[in-house]
Amino acid sequence: LAKTTQPISMDSYEGQEVNITCSHNNIATNDYITWYQQFPSQGPRFIIQGYKTKVTNEVASLFIPADRKSSTLSLPRVSLSDTAVYYCLVGGPFNQAGTALIFGKGTTLSVSS
Amino acid sequence: DTAVSQTPKYLVTQMGNDKSIKCEQNLGHDTMYWYKQDSKKFLKIMFSYNNKELIINETVPNRFSPKSPDKAHLNLHINSLELGDSAVYFCASRGTDRGLGYTFGSGTRLTVV
Repeated sequence: LAKTTQPISMDSYEGQEVNITCSHNNIATNDYITWYQQFPSQGPRFIIQGYKTKVTNEVASLFIPADRKSSTLSLPRVSLSDTAVYYCLVGGPFNQAGTALIFGKGTTLSVSS
Repeated sequence: DTAVSQTPKYLVTQMGNDKSIKCEQNLGHDTMYWYKQDSKKFLKIMFSYNNKELIINETVPNRFSPKSPDKAHLNLHINSLELGDSAVYFCASRGTDRGLGYTFGSGTRLTVV
């Protein structure tokens, strides 16, 4: 599995756009990029997944440059409830038997009013 | 309806005791997992079952024994509990659709005293 590097922590204010960048220089051709969110005292929650270019859903956008060596999770207009740990994961299709999500340290996002 | 439910939510027990944590998913998924999150918040994969068959068994002491009576249930039994077993244990399940990710339970906080 490709190793990922992301900031340990980030601070933001309500209403701002937050971009969390993840580096994955050794990403393999068949690897996908997946982001999870974990609130205190809860299990991680799937946010978004992409392979290349841009993916958008109702929660976030994921930007992946052509070389795929990094990716950026974009959270528009954050609120206090977006305070959480955000994990970037890179690996093959995680729906294959015998695979499992391997979590790194994640980025702790703190949103203030 | 809770998609992945774990019981109990909190478990306080003495060293040397044997305890079990139960997990049930109503999503119709074939694959289930146990993860351990320690005090430093690292999430580590422990076990994975696919349709009642053990397919991932990480370096975990053999005091930990998973059991899957059917594909909707994955229980974790821990013998001779030690102080270092104190952690939050998360159950998760995954379907075959790559884009939907894993669904995690809300965790069981185990405290060994």
